[in-house]
Amino acid sequence: AQSVTQPDIHITVSEGASLELRCNYSYGATPYLFWYVQSPGQGLQLLLKYFSGDTLVQGIKGFEAEFKRSQSSFNLRKPSVHWSDAAEYFCAVGGFGNEKLTFGTGTRLTIIP
Amino acid sequence: NAGVTQTPKFQVLKTGQSMTLQCAQDMNHNSMYWYRQDPGMGLRLIYYSASEGTTDKGEVPNGYNVSRLNKREFSLRLESAAPSQTSVYFCASGDWDSGNTIYFGEGSWLTVV
Repeated sequence: AQSVTQPDIHITVSEGASLELRCNYSYGATPYLFWYVQSPGQGLQLLLKYFSGDTLVQGIKGFEAEFKRSQSSFNLRKPSVHWSDAAEYFCAVGGFGNEKLTFGTGTRLTIIP
Repeated sequence: NAGVTQTPKFQVLKTGQSMTLQCAQDMNHNSMYWYRQDPGMGLRLIYYSASEGTTDKGEVPNGYNVSRLNKREFSLRLESAAPSQTSVYFCASGDWDSGNTIYFGEGSWLTVV
């Protein structure tokens, strides 16, 4: 069975500081990996995705993520966070021929001035 | 460009009542999904439809039925609502075969009292 673990329920960082959100997955074949962001009261917006190729993926809003097969990880990073980045972040996994995305439990990001 | 549209946005039901959540997408996607989101549990797949006329159970299908009316529309029905079905429901659509991602609606907040 496929699964996603986001070990950090809540992270607080200062505005301008760097950010890394962790995501570990379990999947029996080559995974398709995603990061979504959800602002309060809103739906989910895709930040970036990995299907194949370059393991460092660039997304919107200055985010990037790196796929590390050996560590079964797909961590999300941003060099300098902005107050508007405060939201909840979800990692998800699927695969070729498997369209049922499985989501992690999310990491809530708080930004302090 | 509407994307994925869900109705209603808010609903309060009494235990035992029935209701249908409607979802429509205008992106000509083959696949459609219903997820529920609960605090601390992320998003869990209720039902999935790979194409018109086909549906498949997800992780938490009990208490729900779905109907893929046509390529655009995918409805979720609660036949006899229970307090455990109080949740935020998200409809989504995608076109996996073309390497596309899954796009989400803005959510439907359902309270069962």
